[in-house]
Amino acid sequence: NAGVTQTPKFQVLKTGQSMTLQCAQDMNHEYMSWYRQDPGMGLRLIHYSVGAGITDQGEVPNGYNVSRSTTEDFPLRLLSAAPSQTSVYFCASSYSRARYSGYEKLFFGSGTQLSVL
Amino acid sequence: ELKVEQNPLFLSMQEGKNYTIYCNYSTTSDRLYWYRQDPGKSLESLFVLLSNGAVKQEGRLMASLDTKARLSTLHITAAVHDLSATYFCAVDHGGSQGNLIFGKGTKLSVKP
Repeated sequence: NAGVTQTPKFQVLKTGQSMTLQCAQDMNHEYMSWYRQDPGMGLRLIHYSVGAGITDQGEVPNGYNVSRSTTEDFPLRLLSAAPSQTSVYFCASSYSRARYSGYEKLFFGSGTQLSVL
Repeated sequence: ELKVEQNPLFLSMQEGKNYTIYCNYSTTSDRLYWYRQDPGKSLESLFVLLSNGAVKQEGRLMASLDTKARLSTLHITAAVHDLSATYFCAVDHGGSQGNLIFGKGTKLSVKP
């Protein structure tokens, strides 16, 4: 298994450009999520999904869109990039977030470093 | 609103010494996770703590959870250089989805 795969690893955008960060997992995980990591801020949840066709907002959703058309893929779209979106983005998945299921552990991708000029 | 506070945020240790990282959270939760992140790398799961009084140990690291005090500790025994990394705790936000709220991380540097 490849686990959680993110592409690209690095990206530079100009203000106002749009782009999609890709995330794919091959573990048949129900739950997928996007976090951003900023220096001194820990990780903050952007959007998450508990299954194909179901998405919801996290802590910092503004400026980002997601969709989940398949179990495997969970792309993150930046609609009109802003310098405040310069960050490292992590995709994470788990088999289930249901309590006491035994499958709550999150697996993280390797991250996408995004710079918006 | 769930807040997660770690302390210290920076920790410089000598090899062979013991130390504890603390993770406090503001609302009731019975699931807590510890992650390790090496510079420029992704997060690696260390421990999953799912009940009050849970204690997990692996190598020189031991994590515990006290849900009544809303406190988790990550204890380092006889530190070695390879433990240098940033350590995050993450607390279950509650509700049906169980999203995680992360602390800001503790950057650990172990010096010879």
